[in-house]
Order: sequence, then structure tokens, then C-alpha cells
Amino acid sequence: QVQLQESGPGLVKPSETLSLTCTVSGSSISGYYWSWIRQPPGKGLEWIGYISYTGDATYNPSLKSRVTISIDKSKSQFSLKLNSVTAADTAVYYCARDLGILNYFHYWGQGTLVTVSS
Amino acid sequence: EVVLTQSPATLSLSPGDRATLSCRASQSVSTYLAWYQQKPGQAPRLLIYNASNRVTGIPARFSGSGSGTDFTLTISSLEPEDFAIYYCQQRTSWPPAFGGGTKVEIK
Repeated sequence: QVQLQESGPGLVKPSETLSLTCTVSGSSISGYYWSWIRQPPGKGLEWIGYISYTGDATYNPSLKSRVTISIDKSKSQFSLKLNSVTAADTAVYYCARDLGILNYFHYWGQGTLVTVSS
Repeated sequence: EVVLTQSPATLSLSPGDRATLSCRASQSVSTYLAWYQQKPGQAPRLLIYNASNRVTGIPARFSGSGSGTDFTLTISSLEPEDFAIYYCQQRTSWPPAFGGGTKVEIK
């Protein structure tokens, strides 16, 4: 079955760069869009951006200046970089695959908590 | 940017009750709306897409309806595992966005 797994540091210092990787198994990278979504503790969900299997990335305007999403098809991985982080970026970060319809999020990773703190 | 407002914030019901959750959009999203279920410590699970289409494997007690700006998720008879937070999400307007959620709790 389709599985996604986030990995990366759980603690990032303010002003530094948050870096996460999502490893995909059970699904081809091709033909789908791969998203990052976050959820601050006790709060709702915020879509960060997606990347296509061709490498075209699109970002939430609220984060666009700080976000980069990339893809490595050979490793079945895609990655998130968020720079100049503050405490407001503390959240559970999820990677997700679409349903086969863009921007309906069908398969999700378990999520990883990233805390921004010195 | 479309804003999704969910109501009520909390719904207190008993197993076997019917649950009716509302999602209202600040402007029309046609039928491009989804519903997700999230349990504590878990990722959201996609239940319904395009307002009324159940995802494969989702029980028939979950149904969605609506179009334009007003949408409803109905759980016909609550099972113990249905007590969770439910989010709506639209994909019509940029960026895709989620509502604030409705918590369905045991009365």
C-alpha cells in the first residue's frame, strides 16, 4: 500500500532553515502531486505547497518567499525547506499525495513535529 | 482567497446519533470540496471529495452534500470510532485551504 514517511530534525533554531524529507513507497512518483501541509499544535491545517513529478513546484503565497520544495524521483523522495523560521513555524509537518485529483490529499505521512526554539 | 467556516465548533452526541456538520465558503467553490477526519495523534483521513463522493473504503454512514457555498457532512449513526475532528477543504480557489474544524465528542 501507499506509504509516506517524513524525516528530519525535530528542533530548529530561530532564523535557521527547517529541512524535511518525505520518502514514498508503494506508489509511483509519476503522475501525482506531492504536498507539504502543516498543523500548529492544537490548531488547524495549512497547505504549504506541492511539487509535481516533473519538478514544477507551487507554494502558498503566505509562505512563498521562504519555501522550497524539491523532488528526487530516483530515491522516491521529495523535500521541504523553510528558511528564516520563527516560533510561529512550530508545527506537525505532513507530507501527502493527491487522490489523482489535484489538491485532494489522499495519502498522508504520520507527521513530524518540528519545534522552533533556541 | 476563500475562507471556510465550520459549525458548530463542537458537537456533543452519543453513539447511534446522527451527526450533521456544516461548512460554509466565503464565495462559491462549486462542488470542489472535501471532508477529512482527524483523530488525536494521527494524520487526517480523506473521507469525501467533490462534495459528495466517498473515498474507497469509507463506510456508507458518511455522506456529503452541497454546492456553491454551503456544504454538509452527515454521519448517519455514530460509531465509537467516529468521535474525532472533521475538516472541510476547498480546491477551487488559490491556495487550497481548510476550515477550522468541528470536533465531534461523546456526550
